[in-house]
Amino acid sequence: GEDVEQSLFLSVREGDSSVINCTYTDSSSTYLYWYKQEPGAGLQLLTYIFSNMDMKQDQRLTVLLNKKDKHLSLRIADTQTGDSAIYFCAEKAGGFKTIFGAGTRLFVKA
Amino acid sequence: DTEVTQTPKHLVMGMTNKKSLKCEQHMGHRAMYWYKQKAKKPPELMFVYSYEKLSINESVPSRFSPECPNSSLLNLHLHALQPEDSALYLCASSQTGAVQETQYFGPGTRLLVL
Repeated sequence: GEDVEQSLFLSVREGDSSVINCTYTDSSSTYLYWYKQEPGAGLQLLTYIFSNMDMKQDQRLTVLLNKKDKHLSLRIADTQTGDSAIYFCAEKAGGFKTIFGAGTRLFVKA
Repeated sequence: DTEVTQTPKHLVMGMTNKKSLKCEQHMGHRAMYWYKQKAKKPPELMFVYSYEKLSINESVPSRFSPECPNSSLLNLHLHALQPEDSALYLCASSQTGAVQETQYFGPGTRLLVL
C-alpha cells in the first residue's frame, strides 16, 4: 500500500540548518514533493524531485533522495523565523492521487 | 500566473443550509481537485475532475456534490453537512492529471458547520 511517514515536530535556532525527513513505501513512486503550509493557509509547493535523481538544490533548499531506503529529506539552510510552518512530504506514483505525510511542524527560535 | 483562487475564505453554515465553495484557475489546467484537511492532518483527496469529467470520487458522502462547469472553474456544493465536516477545503489544479505533473493549491476555504 501507499504510506508516507514524517516526524511530527522539529525545533531549530535561527541561522541553523533544518533537516526534515520522510519515508515512503511505494517503490513505484515517480515524483516526490515538499509542500509548506503556514497557519491558516493553503499548501505552497516548495520543490520536487524525480525518482531517478539523488539530489536537487534550489537556493536554500536541498532535497536528498535515497531510493533504496525510500528516504527523502529536505534541508533548509540558514533557517529563518519565516520558515516556521508545517512541511508536508508527498509522493505520486501514478494516476491523479498524491499521498501526503502527516506533516512536520518546524519551529524556528529567534 | 500559477494562482488558484478560492472563495469564500471563511464560511459558517448550519446543518440545514445549502452553500457552495468556488475555485478558479487560469493556467489552462485540465485537472482540478478537491481536498479536505482537518486540523493537524494532511490533506485528503475528495474528488478529481479531468477535462471537466469526474474521474475520482474517494467515497465522499453525497452531501458533498462537486461540479465543473468549465475548464477554469470547480465548485463544491454543500447540503445538510454535519459538524464533523468542519475543515479546510483545498482546491488544486494540474495540467492534465498525469503522474509527472505538479499540483498547485489554492489558499483554501475554512468551513465551520454549526
